[in-house]
Amino acid sequence: DGGITQSPKYLFRKEGQNVTLSCEQNLNHDAMYWYRQDPGQGLRLIYYSQIVNDFQKGDIAEGYSVSREKKESFPLTVTSAQKNPTAFYLCASSIPGQGREQYFGPGTRLTVT
Amino acid sequence: GENVEQHPSTLSVQEGDSAVIKCTYSDSASNYFPWYKQELGKRPQLIIDIRSNVGEKKDQRIAVTLNKTAKHFSLHITETQPEDSAVYFCAFGTTDSWGKLQFGAGTQVVVTP
Repeated sequence: DGGITQSPKYLFRKEGQNVTLSCEQNLNHDAMYWYRQDPGQGLRLIYYSQIVNDFQKGDIAEGYSVSREKKESFPLTVTSAQKNPTAFYLCASSIPGQGREQYFGPGTRLTVT
Repeated sequence: GENVEQHPSTLSVQEGDSAVIKCTYSDSASNYFPWYKQELGKRPQLIIDIRSNVGEKKDQRIAVTLNKTAKHFSLHITETQPEDSAVYFCAFGTTDSWGKLQFGAGTQVVVTP
């Protein structure tokens, strides 16, 4: 199903390399989010953006960077400074404001060796 | 910071029985409490949500109850079916920003025929 897409589904990188995960949405949502999912830890917020050219750190932003140059796109870069980058990464979008449903992408599983 | 505790971490139920998952949150000013379901290999999807001005909400076989005094809310699934097998996440909306959610660690529900 469309709406919000992430690519690629699986990504493999060597330690020390930066890697960028793609997130695109055609829902006309202003707000976008990046989460990291690890077993037994739920979804932890990395970065979020309420509007183009603006973004805020979430709970675990260290070692990550984002940009929001277009409303439709919110790419996440996992830098070499991220100590434990292997995880499942989920992007989401919503209409901004409290109490709004977040629509998730299919996720990207990143493995760093 | 704000957090939410979710219990149990795993729940095995016989088909037709009920399942209850409970979450306790810390931010007394929170006013939005959604539940997301994530089937194996799929993206999380909103299944039901409740706002602080009501104590209970029901949608067919699922219901959510909220006790603001005790700062806990629960998901109830009645007449469970094998397709209810999934990981369920509770969340609450924080009040310091627009649309940010704090997620619980998740409950793996297994419905056995």
